[in-house]
Amino acid sequence: DSGVTQTPKHLITATGQRVTLRCSPRSGDLSVYWYQQSLDQGLQFLIQYYNGEERAKGNILERFSAQQFPDLHSELNLSSLELGDSALYFCASSSLDREYTFGSGTRLTVV
Amino acid sequence: SQQGEEDPQALSIQEGENATMNCSYKTSINNLQWYRQNSGRGLVHLILIRSNEREKHSGRLRVTLDTSKKSSSLLITASRAADTASYFCATDYNYGQNFVFGPGTRLSVLP
Repeated sequence: DSGVTQTPKHLITATGQRVTLRCSPRSGDLSVYWYQQSLDQGLQFLIQYYNGEERAKGNILERFSAQQFPDLHSELNLSSLELGDSALYFCASSSLDREYTFGSGTRLTVV
Repeated sequence: SQQGEEDPQALSIQEGENATMNCSYKTSINNLQWYRQNSGRGLVHLILIRSNEREKHSGRLRVTLDTSKKSSSLLITASRAADTASYFCATDYNYGQNFVFGPGTRLSVLP
């Protein structure tokens, strides 16, 4: 157990639907990062939150949004899902200038 | 792009041999980290090397950093079948605000 918890582990949904992925960071970490990993795109940075505020934005689609709550857990919302959104979605947490700790990921399949 | 680039993209060796993977990046960094990912699993942190360090060891792993060439290498000695995985370098150029991952090197260690 890395200390970063992601739920659910697997998600199968239809095109056009909306899903929410959840991440609880390692205890004491204030930063949460979301990454998307697909076979053809590699590991793509989506967004970072630090202590509840958005800190950095990467290749995140407008259909996707995220937030970090006062208890530091984070949610990634994916809407109007398309087949191409099928991927592994990872959450990672860190403290300042330290390594990332990754969760085990959510495998999203859009059918 | 700030992205690190691993080289080679794929590497296949026999058990007991050494494996060397390289990472190049484009701008000044605070630290560089190496991660391992087993198929479909989360990334696991291996080593963090800071910009003022030149070499670090951890068990069978040796990481070097050459900031003048903007490159790093990961050496795995006496490889084992269990080392089969993808290896990623991640560059931290903004004090943990946004690590950028390269596309990874797929290492296969054949028994």
